[in-house]
Amino acid sequence: DVKVTQSSRYLVKRTGEKVFLECVQDMDHENMFWYRQDPGLGLRLIYFSYDVKMKEKGDIPEGYSVSREKKERFSLILESASTNQTSMYLCASSLLRGRARGQETQYFGPGTRLLVL
Amino acid sequence: SQQGEEDPQALSIQEGENATMNCSYKTSINNLQWYRQNSGRGLVHLILIRSNEREKHSGRLRVTLDTSKKSSSLLITASRAADTASYFCATGFNTDKLIFGTGTRLQVFP
Repeated sequence: DVKVTQSSRYLVKRTGEKVFLECVQDMDHENMFWYRQDPGLGLRLIYFSYDVKMKEKGDIPEGYSVSREKKERFSLILESASTNQTSMYLCASSLLRGRARGQETQYFGPGTRLLVL
Repeated sequence: SQQGEEDPQALSIQEGENATMNCSYKTSINNLQWYRQNSGRGLVHLILIRSNEREKHSGRLRVTLDTSKKSSSLLITASRAADTASYFCATGFNTDKLIFGTGTRLQVFP
């Protein structure tokens, strides 16, 4: 079974702090994703990576950056946390299918609930 | 850019009843997927239906897809209390990214 783990289930940070959210998958998937989930808004894609050191902006990248130095690990960085970044953060991974081949199933981690005070 | 919109937003039923959730989307798709999320947890993939398929079954789940109406439905038959969760549809086209809807919250009472 695919396993996607996230470094913390709950996190409390102060405004202005630099925050690192880590995600690790153990199935050699090429694609990794970071989403945030807010009530009434569903899941929104922050960043996407299809290979080591490769990244692509999602729908809401402002205020975030990412790092993918190893295939199994994808980090989300909040450079200077703000209260409007209080949210549930979900990491996912999938096999690379590429254009015109359709989307592969995504496997999700348990989520990190971040509170920024 | 949210593509999938689920309907209803919330649904409450008794155990043993069937639950039907609908998803509408706006653009072309390669396939449509349904995911379940238990409270405060990550999403779990339930079923995938390709754009050239009209119906698919998996256990107590039945998914239909009507590409002419840009809509899909998820039917859970003989529901159980353990089916209580939020259900999301997800679509994509010619990329590895998925676009998720806002979800339907299903409550099944014992």
